[in-house]
Amino acid sequence: DGGITQSPKYLFRKEGQNVTLSCEQNLNHDAMYWYRQDPGQGLRLIYYSQIVNDFQKGDIAEGYSVSREKKESFPLTVTSAQKNPTAFYLCASSALTGQGTTEAFFGQGTRLTVV
Amino acid sequence: AQKITQTQPGMFVQEKEAVTLDCTYDTSDPSYGLFWYKQPSSGEMIFLIYQGSYDQQNATEGRYSLNFQKARKSANLVISASQLGDSAMYFCVARSHYQLIWGAGTKLIIKP
Repeated sequence: DGGITQSPKYLFRKEGQNVTLSCEQNLNHDAMYWYRQDPGQGLRLIYYSQIVNDFQKGDIAEGYSVSREKKESFPLTVTSAQKNPTAFYLCASSALTGQGTTEAFFGQGTRLTVV
Repeated sequence: AQKITQTQPGMFVQEKEAVTLDCTYDTSDPSYGLFWYKQPSSGEMIFLIYQGSYDQQNATEGRYSLNFQKARKSANLVISASQLGDSAMYFCVARSHYQLIWGAGTKLIIKP
């Protein structure tokens, strides 16, 4: 079945460590996104990419890095520079049309906890 | 600045009643689109309904309908005959210039 797969579902990180969250899609979508969600809050955009080997910072990119070496993969690294990384992370993808993007399809999310 | 406003942080509704979730938008893109998503407590984000700026008819998907009032820049979600499983966060999202702009969400709780 087509969809987006995020892994792991739960992740624990020690302070000072980098961790990488995986996001893979088989929907042949051009655009991919990473969002952060804190409890009871909305989504905040970290990074997005509309084409392979290109990506743009979102509203809260500091302390995060991404790569887009393949169309179907968009991993997010939470670096030690991110001071408060405990949150729920959602990856999404969408198709690009002449009018913009279609609806975004989401993975199941990764809950990251700093211990 | 482009913005989505959801003025209801939380709502309680009796089961089987209809509920309207408010959304106003501000975008400079003449060819914008509006989406509604549902996020249950499990965290998954579920696409519900879409309305394009040039669509003449209000979008409907089963129990969901979108009350689109372009002049008022309003795109309210209407859920008919609410069910306990409708309890969730609901987000209004605008597509503008290839970007997705998210509202802060409304937490809907359906009471039995």
